[in-house]
Amino acid sequence: NAGVTQTPKFQVLKTGQSMTLQCAQDMNHEYMSWYRQDPGMGLRLIHYSVGAGITDQGEVPNGYNVSRSTTEDFPLRLLSAAPSQTSVYFCASSYGGHLDQPQHFGDGTRLSIL
Amino acid sequence: QQQVKQSPQSLIVQKGGISIINCAYENTAFDYFPWYQQFPGKGPALLIAIRPDVSEKKEGRFTISFNKSAKQFSLHIMDSQPGDSATYFCAAIRMDSNYQLIWGAGTKLIIKP
Repeated sequence: NAGVTQTPKFQVLKTGQSMTLQCAQDMNHEYMSWYRQDPGMGLRLIHYSVGAGITDQGEVPNGYNVSRSTTEDFPLRLLSAAPSQTSVYFCASSYGGHLDQPQHFGDGTRLSIL
Repeated sequence: QQQVKQSPQSLIVQKGGISIINCAYENTAFDYFPWYQQFPGKGPALLIAIRPDVSEKKEGRFTISFNKSAKQFSLHIMDSQPGDSATYFCAAIRMDSNYQLIWGAGTKLIIKP
């Protein structure tokens, strides 16, 4: 099992450019989430999905869009990149609906906005 | 608004010593308290977790102590090893928030050989 796969691993963008961060899981998990990780701030939830066709906003959704057309994939789109979006982005998945189901994380995408 | 406060930010412990990381929460509606471990270049991974009706849970060298009345919980790593060097996050979950995690800010632990 590959688990949660994120691509690309690294990306440099210019301000105003758009891009899509890819996330795929092969564990048939219902729940998927996107986080950003910044030094000293832990992980902050951007958007999440509790199943195909269902998405909702997290703590810091501005500047990001998501969609969930399949159970496996949950891409994150940056519409117009800003330097404040420089961060490490993590995608996670879980069975959901159970307290003791752990979130499984990808290895992250390191994004720099110049 | 930080609902889970974690301390210290960083911690250096000698090999064989006890590492202690503390967390405090505000919302009494939290239902579950996991700890995640993150190595450089990797995503976090679940280490150990506890429910609020239990005061202590032990798995190998890792123990969670939970004080419901004080709204505090802590991670103890006994006989700390260099391989334990990582960033540790405490978190809390509420069932009525779609099981989303509320994260502490993290503690960078370094075990000196």
